[in-house]
Amino acid sequence: DAGVTQSPTHLIKTRGQQVTLRCSPKSGHDTVSWYQQALGQGPQFIFQYYEEEERQRGNFPDRFSGHQFPNYSSELNVNALLLGDSALYLCASSPGHPVGSQYFGPGTRLLVL
Amino acid sequence: GESVGLHLPTLSVQEGDNSIINCAYSNSASDYFIWYKQESGKGPQFIIDIRSNMDKRQGQRVTVLLNKTVKHLSLQIAATQPGDSAVYFCAELGVGNTDKLIFGTGTRLQVFP
Repeated sequence: DAGVTQSPTHLIKTRGQQVTLRCSPKSGHDTVSWYQQALGQGPQFIFQYYEEEERQRGNFPDRFSGHQFPNYSSELNVNALLLGDSALYLCASSPGHPVGSQYFGPGTRLLVL
Repeated sequence: GESVGLHLPTLSVQEGDNSIINCAYSNSASDYFIWYKQESGKGPQFIIDIRSNMDKRQGQRVTVLLNKTVKHLSLQIAATQPGDSAVYFCAELGVGNTDKLIFGTGTRLQVFP
């Protein structure tokens, strides 16, 4: 049984560019959450998708957007990249609502130059 | 952001000793807590969870204690092994029927022979 998978593993972009990160949830999970983890800090909640809709959102600007597909996989899009967007982006999946334990993928390391 | 952690506290223990990692959570209304282990370059790995109607829960070599009076969680690892070396985070489920995890300040556990 595959766990949460994310792609790509690493990515380098320049300021102003746009990026799309992808996540496939653990089998049987239908809820996907995205987190940003800066170096030396704990993950911070970006948003969560359930039934192909954004259910909750953290304190992130509109440059951060997402999507969930019918197969429960999800994308995170970041527009107009800033240097401060450099971080590890984590996807977590959970089996529906109310949420139980969230299981994390390995993350995508984004570096903005 | 809601997660703090500019300075990561470190706990150094000798192999075979017991480890205790502490965490203060932010909201007295939170009713679900999770401990995660994060190794370098990887996503957080679920260790153990506990609901607010319990004050203790045991897993394999790990025990979580919850003190709601002082909003404190602890993770006890028995017979600590080199493979336990990692950063440990506690996380609370946001209040208001939300599925948003709020992470505490991580603790780096270093196990030496």
